[in-house]
Formats: sequence, C-alpha cells, structure tokens
Amino acid sequence: EVQLVESGGGLVQPGGSLKLSCAASGFIFSGSAMHWVRQASGKGLEWVGRIRSKADNYATAYAESVKGRFTISRDDSKNTAYLQMDSLTTEDTAVYLCTRVEGDTATKEFDPWGQGTLVTVSS
Amino acid sequence: QTVVAQEPSFSVSPGGTVTLTCGLTSGSVSTSYYPSWYQQTPGQAPRALIYNTKTRSSGVPDRFSGSILGNKAALTITGAQANDESDYYCVLFMGSGIWVFGGGTKLTVL
Repeated sequence: EVQLVESGGGLVQPGGSLKLSCAASGFIFSGSAMHWVRQASGKGLEWVGRIRSKADNYATAYAESVKGRFTISRDDSKNTAYLQMDSLTTEDTAVYLCTRVEGDTATKEFDPWGQGTLVTVSS
Repeated sequence: QTVVAQEPSFSVSPGGTVTLTCGLTSGSVSTSYYPSWYQQTPGQAPRALIYNTKTRSSGVPDRFSGSILGNKAALTITGAQANDESDYYCVLFMGSGIWVFGGGTKLTVL
C-alpha cells in the first residue's frame, strides 16, 4: 500500500523551531519529488515547498511565505522527507501534509497524501 | 503577486452539471501550467482527481473531466451526486519549481 505518514507536529512558541518528518512506504521513494502543503484551520491548501530526487540534485523550491525560514530535506535510505521550520510565527499554525509526485515531473499529480501533522505556534 | 482564483462556492442539483474554474489574477491559464484538481472532504486528506489539465487519476469516475475553457482551467462534474459535496482545489505550476493552490471552491449538492 502506498502510504505517507507525517509526524513531529506540536506546540511551539513564536520564534521557535520544529522539524517534521514524512515517512513513505509502498513506492520507490528515491525517484519521487516530495512536497509539503499546509492547511490552516478552516482555510484552503497552501503549497509550502518541494525537494526533487537525487537525479535532480535534491533541488528545493519554496513558497515566498516560508522562503528563508523553512528547509526541506530527505533521506532516501530511510524513505523519509523532512521539513525544518525556523523563526515560526502564529501565521504558520496549520496542519502540514506531505505528498509526492511520481517520477518528479510537473505532468503528474500529488498522490498520495498523508493525513497531516498539526503545528501550533502560540505563546 | 499573481493569485490563483477559484469561485468561493457553487451549488448544483443532484444529477446536474457544474463547471468550476481556476484562473489567474494576471494572465491566462494554459496547459503549460499543468493544472490539477483535488477534492477534499472535512477531516480528510485531499484526493487527486485530474492532473496535467485533463488526465483523470486512478479510480476517478469519468463524471469528472478537466479542460481549458477560455483563459481558465476547468473542472466539470456531470451527473452530480450527493457525495460530490466537497471542497475542490486547483493547483498550477508557476515555473521554477513553484506551485500555487487556488483558494478552493465549496461545492454544495442540493
């Protein structure tokens, strides 16, 4: 079964840091681009960023709202992607979901999706 | 800053047809934006419906179809069913590895 499971969410103070994990199973992780998407309570989906495969030098891209504060990485030996979040603000409070693009191409869909992990930034 | 725009809400009668759109506040959507569509019900992860403008994802019924209509991407649902009542999101590839979601459309079937 193709599956993604996020973990690492929790309560963090403004200005703090948190690192999320996304564990993958059931597909060839190393050949996929991994994306992070977030959703604040009652709001829409917001693309956060992505990391490409080794074949594309693990290239990363980020939304302007998180650029310079968030860093995406991956460990293909552990089939896991990560989202390091620094300098957090209350605006970053959301459920964070990971998803993949098979074959690392814009012509494929985001599938599957994890169920997400909740990050709450509050003092 | 270019924003991806969707209708905030839409209503369709059971058995009816509805077309949701996905546009840009500046410019036109073309196949070069590789538009895709996702369905999300409350408390659930999004589900892929359409990618690369008009390709249906695995297991998606052919009641769902994607296209470019004028200067927007479009998702058409024919023969609407009660369980189609969901939030629908489009996402566009903006180049340089950047993707942007639309604000979503809340579809009501009544």
